[in-house]
Amino acid sequence: DAGVIQSPRHEVTEMGQEVTLRCKPISGHDYLFWYRQTMMRGLELLIYFNNNVPIDDSGMPEDRFSAKMPNASFSTLKIQPSEPRDSAVYFCASSPPGSRGWETQYFGPGTRLLVL
Amino acid sequence: DAKTTQPNSMESNEEEPVHLPCNHSTISGTDYIHWYRQLPSQGPEYVIHGLTSNVNNRMASLAIAEDRKSSTLILHRATLRDAAVYYCILREVNSGYSTLTFGKGTMLLVSP
Repeated sequence: DAGVIQSPRHEVTEMGQEVTLRCKPISGHDYLFWYRQTMMRGLELLIYFNNNVPIDDSGMPEDRFSAKMPNASFSTLKIQPSEPRDSAVYFCASSPPGSRGWETQYFGPGTRLLVL
Repeated sequence: DAKTTQPNSMESNEEEPVHLPCNHSTISGTDYIHWYRQLPSQGPEYVIHGLTSNVNNRMASLAIAEDRKSSTLILHRATLRDAAVYYCILREVNSGYSTLTFGKGTMLLVSP
């Protein structure tokens, strides 16, 4: 089975440009998460969706960041305009349904973003 | 959220057992203990979880103290491929979906 798929794997852009990161969750999973990882701040949850609906976006750093999930098999994280401090590895993860506290999250390989 | 404390790093030799400790003195009765690991240049991956009893799976064992204020992830025979950052995370049961809050974790170095 395919795991979580992210694209692109690497992105280099210039400050001020729009960046769109893409994620395809595992089929049948109804939770989708976007994380950001930097050396300074570690791994942070940005936003998560349940059944395509955003549940908690309190981790989104500012209005330059937006995320959408138009259907169960696709999500995007957009940064507009991008800034050098947005350079990080962005991970998408998905999880099967449940609220028992033990549902496993499956992570994608990440998108390494460098904003010059 | 209840917090966990882990050593910043640990070292092991290949083929030897590794015991990775985690302190969680403020754990509540409804918190599951989860372990994830992150290999270099990869996303985190699930290792194991438990509530009260010790747990075993193909990757590792989880030993939970009787008072649940600490736990230990046990890799029975470390390999070079086990070199990773290991995260100990508490997740609350029955509060809706419980998200993962990653700390700094323990970086495990494995020498040949």
